[in-house]
Amino acid sequence: DAMVIQNPRYQVTQFGKPVTLSCSQTLNHNVMYWYQQKSSQAPKLLFHYYDKDFNNEADTPDNFQSRRPNTSFCFLDIRSPGLGDAAMYLCATSSNPNQPQHFGDGTRLSIL
Amino acid sequence: DAKTTQPNSMESNEEEPVHLPCNHSTISGTDYIHWYRQLPSQGPEYVIHGLTSNVNNRMASLAIAEDRKSSTLILHRATLRDAAVYYCILTSGAGSYQLTFGKGTKLSVIP
Repeated sequence: DAMVIQNPRYQVTQFGKPVTLSCSQTLNHNVMYWYQQKSSQAPKLLFHYYDKDFNNEADTPDNFQSRRPNTSFCFLDIRSPGLGDAAMYLCATSSNPNQPQHFGDGTRLSIL
Repeated sequence: DAKTTQPNSMESNEEEPVHLPCNHSTISGTDYIHWYRQLPSQGPEYVIHGLTSNVNNRMASLAIAEDRKSSTLILHRATLRDAAVYYCILTSGAGSYQLTFGKGTKLSVIP
């Protein structure tokens, strides 16, 4: 019963070529988050949506953007990926900021 | 954000209890203590959280020191599936949207 679904599990793109990662949820949660996890490091919050309100972390790179067209879907857009953007990207949801977060299994992004 | 300190790694034998420690000496009165774990090739998974009192759920128990400067996650009977990185995280208030993951403790379970 997948509740937070990230497709694809693996994504390959070329240096500088825009890429979009997708996340969908069946939980009807109000909050959706995007994290970046580089190899052997802990997840790092990039931004989150509380309903339609977008909240960007201060140190999130400018070429990272997000869209949330409806409750169920959220997208991470990387405008011009560099080699340093190769990482696992994790999507999570919570019913509200006071509740535990439910994570997807991530999309591993490789940059050629 | 108040910081946490955890051992880099721990080992446990299968079917034995595991006590995972976390120090948070700069915790403030309204900080909640959360535990998440991350199995290999998976996203993190919520385990438990608490404020002052010890907490139990189907996955684990959380024991919080009286001065709240440390806590211990207790897995009552380790299984091979419990091998993961365990993260102890403090959040301001109950809101968990500001999850700041530290390095965590890598737990190995020996058959």
